[in-house]
Amino acid sequence: DAMVIQNPRYQVTQFGKPVTLSCSQTLNHNVMYWYQQKSSQAPKLLFHYYDKDFNNEADTPDNFQSRRPNTSFCFLDIRSPGLGDAAMYLCATSRDLTDNQPQHFGDGTRLSIL
Amino acid sequence: QQQVKQSPQSLIVQKGGISIINCAYENTAFDYFPWYQQFPGKGPALLIAIRPDVSEKKEGRFTISFNKSAKQFSLHIMDSQPGDSATYFCAASLNNAGNMLTFGGGTRLMVKP
Repeated sequence: DAMVIQNPRYQVTQFGKPVTLSCSQTLNHNVMYWYQQKSSQAPKLLFHYYDKDFNNEADTPDNFQSRRPNTSFCFLDIRSPGLGDAAMYLCATSRDLTDNQPQHFGDGTRLSIL
Repeated sequence: QQQVKQSPQSLIVQKGGISIINCAYENTAFDYFPWYQQFPGKGPALLIAIRPDVSEKKEGRFTISFNKSAKQFSLHIMDSQPGDSATYFCAASLNNAGNMLTFGGGTRLMVKP
């Protein structure tokens, strides 16, 4: 049973047209993360939520925003997608931020920009 | 600055052989070293992890060897199978830095039948 669910699996949008990717979890974990993964590269952390507290990575472009309306759901908003934003976007969760709690990843949303 | 360097980038092994992937880290404060396995079209999945107070951890055919003085750790896949063909990422994290993972660059493993 999938524990971190990302929708949609594939998303196509136009250059400059806002897009929202969603993630839900059944693990009741406190922490939710968003990563960007480009082809043949490691995942790159964009930001994370600890409960309602939002933490942005220093090099995450302002074009990327996130919302977490409740424990189970988290959204990634790309306000004006550029061609360079085409990538796989991965959501992950962990129980907490301490004790090296493992991160559980969803299967990602592959975003294409036309 | 890449704090975790992974090699090789790609690896081809015959079925039944041993796959070895190496990682080196810079930050001596790292205290948790997981390995993730990622199949095409899927998210990374935790495979095995080690803490620096042990030198080796084995789970089935997968073994992590850890050399604290050399700041290196490696993944050994014994009796490699075609189903092991995937991309493997080593990572490191720091407990008091909020559990954030620093990934290596990844190794694409192909196990030939």
